Amino acid sequence: KNQVEQSPQSLIILEGKNCTLQCNYTVSPFSNLRWYKQDTGRGPVSLTIMTFSENTKSNGRYTATLDADTKQSSLHITASQLSDSASYICVVPNAGNNRKLIWGLGTSLAVNP
Amino acid sequence: NAGVTQTPKFQVLKTGQSMTLQCAQDMNHNSMYWYRQDPGMGLRLIYYSASEGTTDKGEVPNGYNVSRLNKREFSLRLESAAPSQTSVYFCASRPGLAGSGQYFGPGTRLTVL
Repeated sequence: KNQVEQSPQSLIILEGKNCTLQCNYTVSPFSNLRWYKQDTGRGPVSLTIMTFSENTKSNGRYTATLDADTKQSSLHITASQLSDSASYICVVPNAGNNRKLIWGLGTSLAVNP
Repeated sequence: NAGVTQTPKFQVLKTGQSMTLQCAQDMNHNSMYWYRQDPGMGLRLIYYSASEGTTDKGEVPNGYNVSRLNKREFSLRLESAAPSQTSVYFCASRPGLAGSGQYFGPGTRLTVL
């Protein structure tokens, strides 16, 4: 069964610290992997989209990595800010179909002052 | 640009009542989507529309109908609401460009009593 699993489920860090969120997927065939940020009470916002051939992709303080061999991705947040407090969701198209996405449950990140 | 807008933001219905959730986007996107988000579950696709005049079922279409009125608007109708439809509903749109993510609206929080 095609699945997307994220860890940890929740994370608390101090402002200014770095953190790394994990995503493991079992979807096949693989086409791309997306990371979204969802603030409480709002819709998700796309952070990055990584294709099979991309190993690393950055968006400001967010850096995503992809290892297609082990079917793992990580999202690294550098110098965290209070505004980074949100849920971070990993998403993979089901069997390569971009119209049918498998959404992970997300990692809930709290950045404390 | 307002992006993706949804109305209403909140709604309380009684079992058996009907209502329509409205969604509009001003980004000239071809594809539009309706999702629901429930605690402990990833976003689930209800219906999507690849282009004006076309709609397709997603993962959880039962109890819902949709209408792609024009390129801008994509509405979701609950004909006879049930408590199991209590959820947060998100509309999203996506440009036709390869590698582009979805743009989400702010969501509608629906409670069915």
